[in-house]
Amino acid sequence: AQSVTQPDIHITVSEGASLELRCNYSYGATPYLFWYVQSPGQGLQLLLKYFSGDTLVQGIKGFEAEFKRSQSSFNLRKPSVHWSDAAEYFCAVGPTGFQKLVFGTGTRLLVSP
Amino acid sequence: NAGVTQTPKFQVLKTGQSMTLQCAQDMNHEYMSWYRQDPGMGLRLIHYSVGAGITDQGEVPNGYNVSRSTTEDFPLRLLSAAPSQTSVYFCASSSGQRSGNTIYFGEGSWLTVV
Repeated sequence: AQSVTQPDIHITVSEGASLELRCNYSYGATPYLFWYVQSPGQGLQLLLKYFSGDTLVQGIKGFEAEFKRSQSSFNLRKPSVHWSDAAEYFCAVGPTGFQKLVFGTGTRLLVSP
Repeated sequence: NAGVTQTPKFQVLKTGQSMTLQCAQDMNHEYMSWYRQDPGMGLRLIHYSVGAGITDQGEVPNGYNVSRSTTEDFPLRLLSAAPSQTSVYFCASSSGQRSGNTIYFGEGSWLTVV
């Protein structure tokens, strides 16, 4: 069965510092991978997605993620964090039917001044 | 553009009551789904639909019913609410299975069952 692990429940980063959020997945075929962000009291916004091709994917708000098949990972990165990036981040994996996403448990990002 | 609209945004129910969470999308999307979000568990798929008249179960379907009589609407029904159904519910839609399709989420419905 497919699954997603986000090992960090909370991460605190200083404003201006770099960020990496970890995501490991288990999936039997070629995965479709996603990162979503959720601000408090809001819905989910898609940051980026990977289906095939270049393993380094660029997203919105300056985020990028790298797909590493050998490590079953899809880590999210940002070179310089802004206070407005404080939110919860979810990694998800899906088959070709996009309505059947499996989500990780999320990582809450706190940004310190 | 309204996108995916969920109503109500907040609801308190008593155990045993029934209610319907409404979801409507104005993007002519074929695919719609319902997720619930619980602390420490991420989002879990309840039911989904690949088109009008077609629905299927997701990971946690027990206690919920859905129907898809039109392309635009995908209501989620709780027939007899239980405290375990206290959660945040998200409706989502997308235009199909092609790799370029994005899933759009509603803003969520906060449900408390007392």
